Amino acid sequence: VQLVESGGGVVQPGTSLRLSCAASGFTFSSYAMHWVRQAPGKGLEWVALISYDGTIKFYADSVKGRFTISRDNSKNTLSLQMNSLRPEDTAVFYCARGPQSGYDLPFDYWGQGTLVTVSS
Amino acid sequence: QSVLTQPPSASGTPGQRVTISCSGSNSNIGSNAVSWYQQVPGMAPKLLIYNYNHLRPSGVPDRFSGSRSGTSASLAISGLQSEDEADYYCAAWDDRLHSPIFGGGTTLTVL
Repeated sequence: VQLVESGGGVVQPGTSLRLSCAASGFTFSSYAMHWVRQAPGKGLEWVALISYDGTIKFYADSVKGRFTISRDNSKNTLSLQMNSLRPEDTAVFYCARGPQSGYDLPFDYWGQGTLVTVSS
Repeated sequence: QSVLTQPPSASGTPGQRVTISCSGSNSNIGSNAVSWYQQVPGMAPKLLIYNYNHLRPSGVPDRFSGSRSGTSASLAISGLQSEDEADYYCAAWDDRLHSPIFGGGTTLTVL
């Protein structure tokens, strides 16, 4: 199982960024997927989840209305579109695999993370 | 302020047994499975313990064990080793928030 995030970078407040997570080594279309972030020196914060087929999506209140999670099962790719970015969104973003049945926990595999820095 | 409460730090000497607590409520630990994650500084988190029967993924030593009582859970590490020095997080689904939630994390120091 391998999860590889990409798309992070330094952006100004109010702008947008799209993160991707390339999955391999398992049947991507059978698993729920999550985004979890970690601000510098802080703990883990769950961001968003998407069911195996993309029909169910949930978001943390802190990103609701600004972030959109999506997946392309034909390309084994998970995405996170982040709009109206704020300095408090600065964090390492991890994609994590959820369970094969349902969409909750545990997160049994994690990517290495991609750093998003929101600063003027 | 995290919904799940963990002590910010814990410590022990090599060979010792240490426990890390995670306190929640009826809407999370009281009604859903708890999972535990280890994060070595600079690395991605790693799943240690999951599910009601406190399963360990393959490769996780049996020195790590989990338990739950009511609305609290604990991670126990026996035979403490220097490589266990890391941050530890508990997590559970919350029925009220309808989302996963994490504890604030506990930094374990091996003296």
